[in-house]
This record gives sequence, C-alpha cells and structure tokens, in this order.
Amino acid sequence: NAGVTQTPKFRVLKTGQSMTLLCAQDMNHEYMYWYRQDPGMGLRLIHYSVGEGTTAKGEVPDGYNVSRLKKQNFLLGLESAAPSQTSVYFCASSYGGEAQAAFFGQGTRLTVV
Amino acid sequence: GEDVEQSLFLSVREGDSSVINCTYTDSSSTYLYWYKQEPGAGLQLLTYIFSNMDMKQDQRLTVLLNKKDKHLSLRIADTQTGDSAIYFCAATPRGPSSASKIIFGSGTRLSIRP
Repeated sequence: NAGVTQTPKFRVLKTGQSMTLLCAQDMNHEYMYWYRQDPGMGLRLIHYSVGEGTTAKGEVPDGYNVSRLKKQNFLLGLESAAPSQTSVYFCASSYGGEAQAAFFGQGTRLTVV
Repeated sequence: GEDVEQSLFLSVREGDSSVINCTYTDSSSTYLYWYKQEPGAGLQLLTYIFSNMDMKQDQRLTVLLNKKDKHLSLRIADTQTGDSAIYFCAATPRGPSSASKIIFGSGTRLSIRP
C-alpha cells in the first residue's frame, strides 16, 4: 500500500525560483494538508483541502499556493522561493470529520539558497 | 485557538518507562493523538484517545487523559532503542472549522541511554 507519496524528496532552489511539490494519496481521503516542519516549532499548517476543488488557508499560507484538481492529488506551489521557506514539508491526508487521524508522507526537504 | 505544548527533550534508560507529557488549551478538544517521527521519516500515528475516555492501553503504550487539567501523557513501558524518536502530541479542536484542523505540539525528542 502506497499511502501518501510526496515528490520530490529533496530539492535545492535559488532565491526567486518557483517549484511545485506533489502529494498523492491512494486511500480515497477527503481531506489533505500541507505542513512545514522547522526545528523547535513542530508542524505548522500551510494550506488544506476538505475535498476536490476546494482549498483553504492554514496558519502560515503566505508565499504558497495550492490546488486540488483531483481528489487524490494536492499540489503545493512556491512562486518565488525565499530562504525563509527552507524547511521540511509534509503532506497528510485524512478521512475528515472528527476522527481526524492523519496519514503522513515521508516529507520533502527544501533548501532555498 | 487551540495550543498544544510539550517539553522538548526526554532521556530515559533502556528498559525503564518513558512518560511524555502534553498540555492543551481547548477543553472541548475531541480527539487527542500521539504521533512518532523517526529520523528522516514522516509522522506515524501511534495511538489516539477520544475526549470522553480517561485511559487507553495498547501493548506497551498507555495514554492517560486528565480533562480537568487538560493534560495528556504517553507512557512507553520497557523502553527500547527503537523507541528513540520525536513524539508529537496533537489535538482536534471543536468549532465550525475544526474538522479541517489538527493542532500539533512542538514534539518531544526521546533519547535512550544504555
């Protein structure tokens, strides 16, 4: 079972470059999330989606955009990368509702130089 | 909004019990979770407890919930080297948009001494 798959696993960007991180889940989950993880700060929610075609802002949305054109995919875009966006990015998905156990991908380590 | 707090580090001797503590602010939180993150990996759900429960046991893991103090703990019995990881406490708050949010603590790094 694949679960939640993120691509790429590692990436180095120059300041001002753009990129898209892809998240795919094969569990038919309604809800999908993008988090960033920084040392000592735990996980912070960037954007989330409660279903195909919907997106919403999380705690730290600035500098990121997302799209959920297909239920199984959730894309995170950086239009103009900044060094402050150096982080590990995690995608997660869940069934939704109150039983919110989320399943996580392996993470993408992004460095912006 | 909901806030979840944990201590950053815990060191225990192999074979002893580990107790990782967490506090949360929203008394109406419905589900509380413990996740484990091993180096270079994503978060893995260990266990969860519903807010109307006081305790849940699953093999070596025991979760205790004190709703009055808004305190959650994870006890790992007979701690092994494979238990070395970062443990995250998380909560699902109530509210109109709560179904979309899981609030995580900063994580507790558990290290095992021989």
